[in-house]
Amino acid sequence: GAVVSQHPSWVICKSGTSVKIECRSLDFQATTMFWYRQFPKQSLMLMATSNEGSKATYEQGVEKDKFLINHASLTLSTLTVTSAHPEDSSFYICSAPLSEREVYEQYFGPGTRLTVT
Amino acid sequence: GQNIDQPTEMTATEGAIVQINCTYQTSGFNGLFWYQQHAGEAPTFLSYNVLDGLEEKGRFSSFLSRSKGYSYLLLKELQMKDSASYLCASLDSNYQLIWGAGTKLIIKP
Repeated sequence: GAVVSQHPSWVICKSGTSVKIECRSLDFQATTMFWYRQFPKQSLMLMATSNEGSKATYEQGVEKDKFLINHASLTLSTLTVTSAHPEDSSFYICSAPLSEREVYEQYFGPGTRLTVT
Repeated sequence: GQNIDQPTEMTATEGAIVQINCTYQTSGFNGLFWYQQHAGEAPTFLSYNVLDGLEEKGRFSSFLSRSKGYSYLLLKELQMKDSASYLCASLDSNYQLIWGAGTKLIIKP
């Protein structure tokens, strides 16, 4: 089946620094990728939709200047958490649909656990 | 508004059967998904229903009633490895997944 990878799997950073998370589709091309955030014991929350070659679409309440998304190629999207604060500590997950036609069948990356101290 | 409801936690015995219910209210409907998520890991796809009825896939079955805005996931012959959170998600008219908070399933020997 389709595989999506994320890097790093976990990261600890100091408050005020920036962290970049990579999401790669390994054996298929993804014009669209989704970024989610999940706090402990809570559901997945869609943060933004990443579109290859164009600007990302952010969900209401998500600061686009804080969570920078770059979808530079058909296999790579990056999420940069800028000026991270402890409240940004969370589990960040990306997903990609296998095709634009079957956008509902999403394949998830393994997630990145971010801890901001 | 959009809303997905499912129980927070359920407990069942190894070898038994458990049914996890999900009710949804979304703007438009393009299908209902069930995902399994082990602690600290990303969700993995279990099932997709868009038509009314029961879809069986091995030990797992998923049911949908569109008129009632209701779905359930049925797990048979429970194994200890089935201990996980089960997430219900509805695909709305914009093809966005609206997620429930998940049901934590605890399997006891």
